[in-house]
Amino acid sequence: DGGITQSPKYLFRKEGQNVTLSCEQNLNHDAMYWYRQDPGQGLRLIYYSQIVNDFQKGDIAEGYSVSREKKESFPLTVTSAQKNPTAFYLCASSKDGRVGIYEQYFGPGTRLTVT
Amino acid sequence: SQQGEEDPQALSIQEGENATMNCSYKTSINNLQWYRQNSGRGLVHLILIRSNEREKHSGRLRVTLDTSKKSSSLLITASRAADTASYFCATDAVDTGRRALTFGSGTRLQVQP
Repeated sequence: DGGITQSPKYLFRKEGQNVTLSCEQNLNHDAMYWYRQDPGQGLRLIYYSQIVNDFQKGDIAEGYSVSREKKESFPLTVTSAQKNPTAFYLCASSKDGRVGIYEQYFGPGTRLTVT
Repeated sequence: SQQGEEDPQALSIQEGENATMNCSYKTSINNLQWYRQNSGRGLVHLILIRSNEREKHSGRLRVTLDTSKKSSSLLITASRAADTASYFCATDAVDTGRRALTFGSGTRLQVQP
């Protein structure tokens, strides 16, 4: 089955700890994206990557970091510098970086709770 | 930045009725997409309409686009309880250098059985 997976589904961390969220796709897509969603809100772009070994900041990149060493993987690290990290995190991919041309495929999300 | 804004924020209808959601955006676009999100899940792509198209159909979905008014609407006909979800529009802005979609705040649709 082709698809995009995120793990874990639920994640709990203590304040001050860094945490890494996994995102893997086997769709052979070039572009990958990370979004944050707060309750009752829309999606806000954190980081995106159009190609391996390249990524750009989105609208709310502060306190987050990413890497894109492999085409199929785009992990997101939520650092202790992120002031309010508790949220629902969604990863997505699309065929290539020509934005809007292709649909985005979303993973099931990771709900992060930091206390 | 939230380029797209959906209206209404929430909508409650009876099964069998039609549901209309609207999206407004600020800058010129190449394409506009609509997505659906069931509670606690990832988004699912519904339909893409290009800037040179005015209307598009997919099953019970009808999307219109008015670039002069910078607005789009999503119509779900003969709604079902299973249509209960949040619906988001997403746009790609022209000539901004931004290589990613911008999602609106969504419309939460509740279809009563």
